[in-house]
Amino acid sequence: DAGVIQSPRHEVTEMGQEVTLRCKPISGHNSLFWYRQTMMRGLELLIYFNNNVPIDDSGMPEDRFSAKMPNASFSTLKIQPSEPRDSAVYFCASSYRVNYNEQFFGPGTRLTVL
Amino acid sequence: SQQGEEDPQALSIQEGENATMNCSYKTSINNLQWYRQNSGRGLVHLILIRSNEREKHSGRLRVTLDTSKKSSSLLITASRAADTASYFCATDGSSNTGKLIFGQGTTLQVKP
Repeated sequence: DAGVIQSPRHEVTEMGQEVTLRCKPISGHNSLFWYRQTMMRGLELLIYFNNNVPIDDSGMPEDRFSAKMPNASFSTLKIQPSEPRDSAVYFCASSYRVNYNEQFFGPGTRLTVL
Repeated sequence: SQQGEEDPQALSIQEGENATMNCSYKTSINNLQWYRQNSGRGLVHLILIRSNEREKHSGRLRVTLDTSKKSSSLLITASRAADTASYFCATDGSSNTGKLIFGQGTTLQVKP
């Protein structure tokens, strides 16, 4: 199994540009999570999906952030327009709920907004 | 805010020594998990302990859970330089949604 796949691994962009982060969960997992990690705020849950349906997006910072999961094997996190304070490492994780919620993390996308 | 709070925030020990990290949480739980994060990598699941368990072992890892005190500890015995990483506890807050709440983590440095 390839594990959770994220792309790109690194993204450098300029303020105001649109950024799209992509995630492919582990096949068979039915929950998907987007996290953001910074030194100041630690690991924050942004949004999560169960069976492709967004369940809780209360962690999404503001309307500039949006996430979709069009099917069980793909999710995107979009930031439009991006700002320097969005610079962070963004992780995607998936889980198979009945397995006591153990989450499998991807390698992360390091985003730098100049 | 994060439910889990790890203590200490940073720990530095010599190879071969034991490392103990603590986690406190605020609400009732179904289970508590510990994760490790190597620098620049994603988190990796280490061990899960259910709310009706008091102690669990996995290799050199020993986890305890005290639901009356809402606290857990992770003990790494005979530490190795490769154990250098950040360690996070995560709780499910008794929800059945799959959502986990992570603490701020303990950064462990094991000196060779």
